[in-house]
Order: sequence, then structure tokens, then C-alpha cells
Amino acid sequence: NAGVTQTPKFQVLKTGQSMTLQCAQDMNHNSMYWYRQDPGMGLRLIYYSASEGTTDKGEVPNGYNVSRLNKREFSLRLESAAPSQTSVYFCASSVRIAGGYNEQFFGPGTRLTVL
Amino acid sequence: AQSVTQLDSQVPVFEEAPVELRCNYSSSVSVYLFWYVQYPNQGLQLLLKYLSGSTLVESINGFEAEFNKSQTSFHLRKPSVHISDTAEYFCAVSRIQGAQKLVFGQGTRLTINP
Repeated sequence: NAGVTQTPKFQVLKTGQSMTLQCAQDMNHNSMYWYRQDPGMGLRLIYYSASEGTTDKGEVPNGYNVSRLNKREFSLRLESAAPSQTSVYFCASSVRIAGGYNEQFFGPGTRLTVL
Repeated sequence: AQSVTQLDSQVPVFEEAPVELRCNYSSSVSVYLFWYVQYPNQGLQLLLKYLSGSTLVESINGFEAEFNKSQTSFHLRKPSVHISDTAEYFCAVSRIQGAQKLVFGQGTRLTINP
């Protein structure tokens, strides 16, 4: 199992450009998440998808859109990139564990720089 | 809403010394508690978790954390650190009931000096 994979690993954009970050998981998990990580701020949830066909906003959704293409894939789109979106982006998926909590598994991240 | 505060952004220690990484949380409802570790240039990995029962939980690599409900804390400790423990550590909480999103603290960078 590859777990959670993300592409690309690195990306540099100019202000105003658009791009899509791809995420896929092969663990048959229902829930998937997109986070951004900024120095001194931990990880903040951008969007999540509790199941195929549903998406919900997290803490910092402005400037982003998501698509849950199928159970495996959850993409994050920046329509018009801004320097404030320079960050490391992590995708995660989760499975409900005995005991009733969702254990999240993280991808390796995408480092995005917006000039 | 939940919030998590990690009181130290950086903690430098010498190899084989003990370490404590502090975490306090705020929540109006019952929560699960987690510590995640991020090694350089990698994603996050679950280190340990508190769900219920014994307030002291342990990881396979010698870390432990104690849930203190009265002080709303979940501090992480290790009696003797190794160079390989160099990483960033994140405390996180999630609600027990309802959507189980994680809320993370700001992170603590642990640096081990030889």
C-alpha cells in the first residue's frame, strides 16, 4: 500500500496563476482532508470530505476549492494564487477505529511558493 | 470550539537528557487527545493518543503523555532523548461526538544536541 500520495512535491507559481494539488489514498478510507502548515501556526484545516460526494469548509477555506472525485481522490484547487497561499499543503485520510475515533494518515506534503 | 496551545515553540536539549513538551487545550465538550510527530521533510505520524481509561499513555519509542483533566493538559515526556527524536511535535484534539476534525497546536520543534 502506498498510503496517501500527493502530487506535485514542489511547485512555484506566479500571483494569479491557478493550479490543482492532487491527493489519492489506497486504504479505502471514507474521509479525506486538506491542511496547510505555516510556521508557528501548526496545521489548519482548509476543507474536508466526510464521504464520497460531500465536502465541507474547514478553518481557512477562502481562496480554495475542492473536488472529491471518487472515494480515492480529493483535489485542492487554487483559482488565482496569492503570496499568502505560500505554504506546505498536507492531505490526509481517516478511518474509524474501534473506540470511536477517526485516525488520520497524512501524505508527504506539497511545498507551494507563490511569487 | 476547541483550541490547543503548545507553550514552547522550540526546545533544545542534550542527548540522553529528559524532555517535556507542554500542551494545554480548551474545549466545552469532551475530546480525544493526540500527539503527532513530523520528522524533517515528512508528513505527520501519530505518536500516541488518549481516548479513555488510564490517563498515562505510552508510545513504542519511549514517549509518554499524561492527560490531566483538571488542568486541561496533555504534556509529552521522554526520560532520555536520542538524536533520532529530532522532529516537530504537534498536540491535537478532536471532539468525541460529531464530526471528528483535528485541531492542532502550533507545534514544538525538538532539537537534540550531542
